[in-house]
Amino acid sequence: NAGVTQTPKFQVLKTGQSMTLQCAQDMNHNSMYWYRQDPGMGLRLIYYSASEGTTDKGEVPNGYNVSRLNKREFSLRLESAAPSQTSVYFCASSENGRDTIYFGEGSWLTVV
Amino acid sequence: RKEVEQDPGPFNVPEGATVAFNCTYSNSASQSFFWYRQDCRKEPKLLMSVYSSGNEDGRFTAQLNRASQYISLLIRDSKLSDSATYLCVVNARGQNFVFGPGTRLSVLP
Repeated sequence: NAGVTQTPKFQVLKTGQSMTLQCAQDMNHNSMYWYRQDPGMGLRLIYYSASEGTTDKGEVPNGYNVSRLNKREFSLRLESAAPSQTSVYFCASSENGRDTIYFGEGSWLTVV
Repeated sequence: RKEVEQDPGPFNVPEGATVAFNCTYSNSASQSFFWYRQDCRKEPKLLMSVYSSGNEDGRFTAQLNRASQYISLLIRDSKLSDSATYLCVVNARGQNFVFGPGTRLSVLP
């Protein structure tokens, strides 16, 4: 009963380092999302993929890139991490972009 | 004006109390409405979808008022375990989910 799985759960990076957050869903959903959540800011959409083969920018895409590897997997890459990217990152999926959205457990990223 | 607005709280209520949260949305084309619950350091989880006719799930009742563009969540007989942040979520056709900032509830013994 995995649902949405994301890794790693915790990561500390130095400024300028790169890393990729991995996400996979086993619900055969078409739409996948990456959000970040900061204290007092709520959930903000970074990038989304409405269907396999497509990706689009969300509200806060700067400093990030994504890859929809296949229908199951949607990764988020930080090319050159900055302290402003310290946050909790949530991957999510939805069957068709209109119905219930399901979240992974989150990835806590600290950039020092 | 933000697309989805909620009173951030915190709402501090005693066990057994009834508490109500409201959420307003600005996009009149919104079609799907949800309440999510988020515990501290956890992911948001679906509490209930909100239907035009209103719906109830145990102690929880959700209502939608399309004319006034708000949705509500009523929690009866509050439990300590209800302490969490409640997120209002709205979706319009062809657009992404829009999350409210959340309302924090603390149920006190």
